[in-house]
Amino acid sequence: DAGVIQSPRHEVTEMGQEVTLRCKPISGHNSLFWYRQTMMRGLELLIYFNNNVPIDDSGMPEDRFSAKMPNASFSTLKIQPSEPRDSAVYFCASNIFRTSGGSDTQYFGPGTRLTVL
Amino acid sequence: GESVGLHLPTLSVQEGDNSIINCAYSNSASDYFIWYKQESGKGPQFIIDIRSNMDKRQGQRVTVLLNKTVKHLSLQIAATQPGDSAVYFCAETSTAGNKLTFGGGTRVLVKP
Repeated sequence: DAGVIQSPRHEVTEMGQEVTLRCKPISGHNSLFWYRQTMMRGLELLIYFNNNVPIDDSGMPEDRFSAKMPNASFSTLKIQPSEPRDSAVYFCASNIFRTSGGSDTQYFGPGTRLTVL
Repeated sequence: GESVGLHLPTLSVQEGDNSIINCAYSNSASDYFIWYKQESGKGPQFIIDIRSNMDKRQGQRVTVLLNKTVKHLSLQIAATQPGDSAVYFCAETSTAGNKLTFGGGTRVLVKP
């Protein structure tokens, strides 16, 4: 089975440019999560969706960050304009969430390493 | 658990020995706990999980222990191998919700 798929795996861009990260969750999973990992702050949850609806975006750093999930098999995280402090590894994860029975294990993608010069 | 930023606790273990990684979790309402392994350049990989109605769960070469009284979680790796070298994270959540809170991680270095 294919796991969570992320693209691109590496992105190098210049300050001020728009960056779009993409994620395809595991088929059948109804929740999707975007995380950011840095040496300084560890693994931080940015936003998550249940059934394509954003549930909690309290971790999104500022208005430069936005995330969408137009359908159950695709999500994007956009940074516009990008800044050097956005340099990090961005992970997407997915799981099955049951309103009656709660959440299951989150499975992570391989990540996108973003470098903003 | 809280992120410890730049400083990752490191456990250095001889190949073949057993490893024990500890984690103190923060939320007494948490009822589902997961251990992840992260190798360099990869995403966190699920190892084993445990729900709060259990205090011990075993997998292949791994055992997770849960002490709810002191909010403590541990991961035991039997006969540690070079491939076990990685950063290990504990994570907690309430199954009523769907947000994981990660600990800061422990780096395990296996010496041949």
